[in-house]
Amino acid sequence: DIQLTQSPSFLSASVGDRVTITCRASQGIGTYLAWYQQKPGKAPKLLIYAASTLQSGVPSRFSGSVSETEFTLTISSLQPEDFATYYCQHLNSFPLPFGGGTKVEIK
Amino acid sequence: EVQLVESGGGLVQPGGSLRLSCAASGFPFKTYWMHWVRQAPGKGLVWVSHISSDGSTTTYADSVKGRFTISRDNAKNILYLQMNGLTVEDTAVYYCTRDRRLLGHDWGQGTLVTVSS
Repeated sequence: DIQLTQSPSFLSASVGDRVTITCRASQGIGTYLAWYQQKPGKAPKLLIYAASTLQSGVPSRFSGSVSETEFTLTISSLQPEDFATYYCQHLNSFPLPFGGGTKVEIK
Repeated sequence: EVQLVESGGGLVQPGGSLRLSCAASGFPFKTYWMHWVRQAPGKGLVWVSHISSDGSTTTYADSVKGRFTISRDNAKNILYLQMNGLTVEDTAVYYCTRDRRLLGHDWGQGTLVTVSS
């Protein structure tokens, strides 16, 4: 089974900071990866699909990239509404794993 | 607008059963794979089960295999999850998702299942 290792699991940052979250796949998965944002008590919200394509309506400060099996979610300038937990998800083979999550909190 | 509305959650005793439903609208339900994903309190997201567009193929996480059954009614646009032999470890919010393959998943709002005596 493919495994996704997400890091860090916790991140403390200030408004305006550049934030980077990494998701490493245990084997090659091409670009079959999505990033989601989840706020407390809410369902996950799709941010990025196909590793680097921004979902419609998502602010351009969010971006995704990939280098072999390492995927990166970047928030160029953290805004108050971005404090949340972020998850990566593989999209193409069962058991459709998720990363463990990264909680972004206010410093 | 795509809508996925889960229902059927609640409090159940260990060993009990529940059937979750997910009513879909705003898209051609019968053409999409569908999934159930769960999230235990304070924990991460875990994939539970998948069903193909015509219902002929199903897949399960090892943790629920033999206890949970996924099904769908394409005439009524409803996805189901029959959960038997529930344990405290099954306590979670259960989400249904629409699989758009490389384009990611759409999510419902979730329904809470609590297994407790």
